[in-house]
Amino acid sequence: AQKITQTQPGMFVQEKEAVTLDCTYDTSDPSYGLFWYKQPSSGEMIFLIYQGSYDQQNATESRYSLNFQKARKSANLVISASQLGDSAMYFCAMREGVRNSGYALNFGKGTSLLVTP
Amino acid sequence: GAGVSQSPSNKVTEKGKDVELRCDPISGHTALYWYRQSLGQGLEFLIYFQGNSAPDKSGLPSDRFSAERTGGSVSTLTIQRTQQEDSAVYLCASRAGGGRYEQYFGPGTRLTVT
Repeated sequence: AQKITQTQPGMFVQEKEAVTLDCTYDTSDPSYGLFWYKQPSSGEMIFLIYQGSYDQQNATESRYSLNFQKARKSANLVISASQLGDSAMYFCAMREGVRNSGYALNFGKGTSLLVTP
Repeated sequence: GAGVSQSPSNKVTEKGKDVELRCDPISGHTALYWYRQSLGQGLEFLIYFQGNSAPDKSGLPSDRFSAERTGGSVSTLTIQRTQQEDSAVYLCASRAGGGRYEQYFGPGTRLTVT
C-alpha cells in the first residue's frame, strides 16, 4: 500500500503568490515524521522542513510552512511569496519508527511546481 | 561544512559488468542510506547503515546488489552483473542521529547500463 500520496503531478503559481502542495500519508505507527524535499532540475535533493507526529505546533522554516492535520493524515507544504527559483520537483516523505529500516524515508511521487513571472 | 559527496557523478557501463558507487557522508553522521531514483519506480530505499552495520538489507532489489561501510564513514554500493533495469540515479544520504531525523542527500550517481 502506498504510504505517501501526492495527488498533484504539476502545479503553476505566479511569482509572489502563495502555493500549497498536498500530501497525505498512511501509517499505523504512533511515532512518525513528515518531510518535504525540493529537487531542482540539477538533481540534488534539498531538505526543506520536518514535522514530527508528536510536535504540537506546525513547523515553519523561512517561507516554508507545513500544515499538519493529524486526524486527516495530511501534511501539506505551503510556500509563501513564491520566487522563480522555487520552480522544482517537491517530494513529501515519511519516516516511521526505528524498526522500519532505521528511519528510512518513504517518498511520494512528487509534485512539479512551476513559478511564472 | 562539507555535504555528502558521491562518486562518480556519471557512470556508463556495459550489461554484465560490475560497478562500484561511493558515498562520503557528512562528517560525524552516524546513519547512512542508499536510495535509487528512476522514472518508473520513483524514489526507493535500498539499504541503511548505523555505524558500520547494515541491520536492514530488505530494500536491495536482488542479490546482485551489496553494500558496505567502513570506519563508520565511507560507503560503497556494488552492483554485480549489471542489467539495463539497474539504470537509475543512486542517491546517498546521511543523518546525524541523536534525535535528528532529517537526511542530507548527495548529488547522486547516474548509472546507465547499455
